[in-house]
Amino acid sequence: SYELTQPPSVSVSPGQTARITCSGDALPKQYAYWYQQKPGQAPVLVIYKDSERPSGIPERFSGSSSGTTVTLTISGVQAEDEADYYCQSADSSGTYEVFGGGTKLTVL
Amino acid sequence: EVQLVESGGGLVQPGGSLRLSCAASGFTFSSYWMHWVRQAPGKGLVWVSRINSDGSSTSYADSVKGRFTISRDNAKNTLYLQMNSLRAEDTAVYYCARRGIAAAGIDYWGQGTLVTVSS
Repeated sequence: SYELTQPPSVSVSPGQTARITCSGDALPKQYAYWYQQKPGQAPVLVIYKDSERPSGIPERFSGSSSGTTVTLTISGVQAEDEADYYCQSADSSGTYEVFGGGTKLTVL
Repeated sequence: EVQLVESGGGLVQPGGSLRLSCAASGFTFSSYWMHWVRQAPGKGLVWVSRINSDGSSTSYADSVKGRFTISRDNAKNTLYLQMNSLRAEDTAVYYCARRGIAAAGIDYWGQGTLVTVSS
C-alpha cells in the first residue's frame, strides 16, 4: 500500500523557520495537503494543492513541492504553532487517500 | 456555518458491529465528497473511506475493506459508516470530514466520535 513518510519530530526556537518534509512516490502526480492538529482538537487544513493557503491561515505557513517530496515551511515560528502536522495525498490512481505518519513540531 | 456532528460511537465487543452517523449542516451536502478518518489514541491520522457526492463511488483503506461500508443519505444530509467484524485495532476516534471543491483538501472536520473495541 502507498505510504507518505514524514520525520517524527522537528524542533525550532521562536522566530526561526521550521521545515517539515513529506515523501511519497506519487507526489509528482497528486496534490499534497497539510493539516495542523493540536491536542484534543480536530485537524485544520493549512496548505492545499501543494502550496495554496486557505483563508484565515497566517502567511507564515507556506508549501512547496519538488519531485517526490513536499515541504511545509513555517517562517517566524510562534509558540502557538506547536502542534502535530500531517501531510495527505492520494495514490497514483487517485483511488486511495493516505496520511503521513505526522510530525510533532516543538517550539523550544 | 458548516457543521459536521458525529454520533454512534461507544464500547463494542470484538466481532461486533456499530454504525456511525455524521449530520451535516450549513452547506449543500449533496455537492461534496465526504471522508471518514480515524485516529487511535496517541497515534496519527489514518484515512478510512470516502464517498462521492451522489454515493455512486466509494473507496476504502485496505485495513477496513470488506468490513466497513460507507454510505450517505443526501435527503437527510447524513453520512454513515457501518462497521462490522470489529477488532481491537479499530479502536479510535472517528472523524467525519468534508472534501472541498476542486481539490481543495479536507476543509472541514467534525469533532469525532470514539469507538472502543474491547471485551
